This record gives sequence, C-alpha cells and structure tokens, in this order.
Amino acid sequence: DGGITQSPKYLFRKEGQNVTLSCEQNLNHDAMYWYRQDPGQGLRLIYYSQIVNDFQKGDIAEGYSVSREKKESFPLTVTSAQKNPTAFYLCASINQRRRDTGELFFGEGSRLTVL
Amino acid sequence: AQSVTQPDIHITVSEGASLELRCNYSYGATPYLFWYVQSPGQGLQLLLKYFSGDTLVQGIKGFEAEFKRSQSSFNLRKPSVHWSDAAEYFCAVGAGYGGATNKLIFGTGTLLAVQP
Repeated sequence: DGGITQSPKYLFRKEGQNVTLSCEQNLNHDAMYWYRQDPGQGLRLIYYSQIVNDFQKGDIAEGYSVSREKKESFPLTVTSAQKNPTAFYLCASINQRRRDTGELFFGEGSRLTVL
Repeated sequence: AQSVTQPDIHITVSEGASLELRCNYSYGATPYLFWYVQSPGQGLQLLLKYFSGDTLVQGIKGFEAEFKRSQSSFNLRKPSVHWSDAAEYFCAVGAGYGGATNKLIFGTGTLLAVQP
C-alpha cells in the first residue's frame, strides 16, 4: 500500500545535538511538507518542497533545514539553533497535479524530546 | 492575513448525541476549506473538503460540514456520535496560489471526548 513513512517514531536528543527526521513516500507525489505540532497551537508549516532540488521556508523555518534530493524523500534536520525543538513533527505530501483534491496525506509523525 | 479559528478547545458529548464543531476563517478570496481528524499519536486524516458548489459537503465516517460565506464559517456536524469519534479535529484553509493547498493554515484544533 502507498503511504508516507516517518522515522523514528520517538527520538530523544541532548541539547546542542542535531537530529534528522526521515520522511519517505511512495505515492509519487511531487509536493512534500513538514509541520510542527505543539499542544494548543495546531500545525505550523516548517518547510515545503514542490519539486526535487527545490524547497521553500514555511512560517517557522528558523533552526531547521531540509533537502530534497529524491522525489520520495524529504528529511528534516532539527539543528542546535532551534531553541525549543521538543514537539511532534508531521510530514505530508500531495499530488500537485491534482490541486482540486486538496488532500494532504500525512505520516504518523515523529515525537522529538530534548533532554 | 489568512487565519482559522476554532473557538472550542475541548468538547465532551455523550455517545449517540449530535455534534457540531465550530470553525471560522479569514480569507480574502473564495477559500478552500478542510476538516481533518487526528487520533492520539497519529497523523491527520482528511474528513471532508469544500472547494466550490454545494455548500453542504459530506465526508467520511458520517460527518458533514456547511460552508456559510456570510458568517465565514465551516462547521463540522455529525447527527449521532460514536465512541470511536473521540479524537482531535482540525479545520484548515488553503492559502496558497489560487487557494491551492501548498500552504494549508490549520486551526488550533478541538479535542472531542465521548462519554458512554
């Protein structure tokens, strides 16, 4: 079955360490997104990519970096510059050629805790 | 600026009772509107969407929503709630080019609890 796979599901990090969250999709979607979810704040867009080798900052990109070397993969690195990285991170994708569907497909998320 | 407001942070209903979750949006043009549901520790699943046409839209799991332009609202309803509906519900508006979903703006969510 097609879908989005995020790993790891749980991750613990010491302050000052960079960590990379994996997101892989086999839906053949062009566009991929990273959201951060905090209690009571909904989902906030970190980065998005509409095509390979191109990505755009979202609303809260500071302290994060991404790459899009392959269509299937959109890893997110949480750097030591991110002041409050403890959160639930969600990856999503959409078939850009079918904008009328509007359906974002989400992975199951990665929970990052900074110790 | 585009925004979405879900005024109810937490709602508790009895199983079998009706449900209405509120959503108000701010968007200059005709919005693309969505409702997503999230079970604990999981990703989000699309319940329904409105792009144009009939203002009453049907979704999965027996949910429906009505777009009211005059009230800038897109409230989610279900006539009879089941215990499995307990989850967090997010309203979202598509705020990208042409209202496309390359930049979905989400509300803060409403957590639904269902009493037996």
